[in-house]
Amino acid sequence: SQTIHQWPATLVQPVGSPLSLECTVEGTSNPNLYWYRQAAGRGLQLLFYSVGIGQISSEVPQNLSASRPQDRQFILSSKKLLLSDSGFYLCAWSGPKTQYFGPGTRLLVL
Amino acid sequence: GESVGLHLPTLSVQEGDNSIINCAYSNSASDYFIWYKQESGKGPQFIIDIRSNMDKRQGQRVTVLLNKTVKHLSLQIAATQPGDSAVYFCAETRGGYQKVTFGIGTKLQVIP
Repeated sequence: SQTIHQWPATLVQPVGSPLSLECTVEGTSNPNLYWYRQAAGRGLQLLFYSVGIGQISSEVPQNLSASRPQDRQFILSSKKLLLSDSGFYLCAWSGPKTQYFGPGTRLLVL
Repeated sequence: GESVGLHLPTLSVQEGDNSIINCAYSNSASDYFIWYKQESGKGPQFIIDIRSNMDKRQGQRVTVLLNKTVKHLSLQIAATQPGDSAVYFCAETRGGYQKVTFGIGTKLQVIP
């Protein structure tokens, strides 16, 4: 069966520091992968999606970037975090019916 | 622009009662709809889906109704249990699963 992992689970970072969140998927090949951000009490905002290695589409302008160095690995990065980057970051992959989500990473920028 | 939204941000129901969570969408081209459940601190989980060529679909204790005339989607939970307490999102796609647009969500609180 397919599983999706994210780490770290929680992260507290100072403003201006770099960021690297990792997502990996097991049990499937060549999945479409997605990064979402969820602000407290809000809905899901699509940040990036990828249909293959090295292929990244950005949905919103921001100081975040994404990379897909391997088929089942999706990384969300920032060179300098802003306070507004705080939130719950979710990785997802497209399965047989819909998108399936990882457990999320809660990021707090202070 | 296109949007998927929810009528009620918070819904409180007594344990054992039925719950109805509503959702409105604005894009008539949407052809696939999904309901997700998100428990606190976790990622959303797929509950049930429905295609635009259907108006009703039933799962275990859940039913989704689709009214394309008024662009309305609802999730009915029968005999609501404390474990049903969560935020419920409706979502829509057009032409496949590549991009999913999510609503803000409705928080369901089950009163024991």
